[in-house]
Amino acid sequence: GAVVSQHPSRVICKSGTSVKIECRSLDFQATTMFWYRQFPKQSLMLMATSNEGSKATYEQGVEKDKFLINHASLTLSTLTVTSAHPEDSSFYICSASTGNYGYTFGSGTRLTVV
Amino acid sequence: SQQGEEDPQALSIQEGENATMNCSYKTSINNLQWYRQNSGRGLVHLILIRSNEREKHSGRLRVTLDTSKKSSSLLITASRAADTASYFCAAYVISNFGNEKLTFGTGTRLTIIP
Repeated sequence: GAVVSQHPSRVICKSGTSVKIECRSLDFQATTMFWYRQFPKQSLMLMATSNEGSKATYEQGVEKDKFLINHASLTLSTLTVTSAHPEDSSFYICSASTGNYGYTFGSGTRLTVV
Repeated sequence: SQQGEEDPQALSIQEGENATMNCSYKTSINNLQWYRQNSGRGLVHLILIRSNEREKHSGRLRVTLDTSKKSSSLLITASRAADTASYFCAAYVISNFGNEKLTFGTGTRLTIIP
């Protein structure tokens, strides 16, 4: 079946630095990928929709200059958290549309900003 | 904003019993999906029910959908310890701009007691 690989699974960074998270579709082409954020014991909140070859669509309240999304190929989308602060610490999950209303999720990235 | 509300927020039952989780959503949907998430991991797709369907089965899972009440339920029969996880409903909608979007409910944390 369709597999999405997300990397890294865990990252600790210093406040003020930037962190890049990768989301790859391994055996299919994903024209659309989605980035979610999940706080402990809470649900997934959609941050942005990543479209190959075009600008990402951000949800209301999500700072596009802080959460940079690049979807330069049909198999790779990246999320860069710029100038990270402790409040950005969270679990970030990507997913890719597999067509026919199907979605495959990455295993998530635990970001801790110290 | 969150699409759906789920109840209960947490549920603990004895192994072998049935578990029922409910989801309510706010807007019209194309379909509704249920996902499972083990602690700190990505999401696994369980079942999809289309807006013109009322009930769907998959193994020990049974999902119902009532579009007039904007609600859905997930029933897990003969629960097992391995069913312990968080369960989320997710509504598939098409935005006014034609973008697809999967927005998640608040989730139910299910604990199966051996």
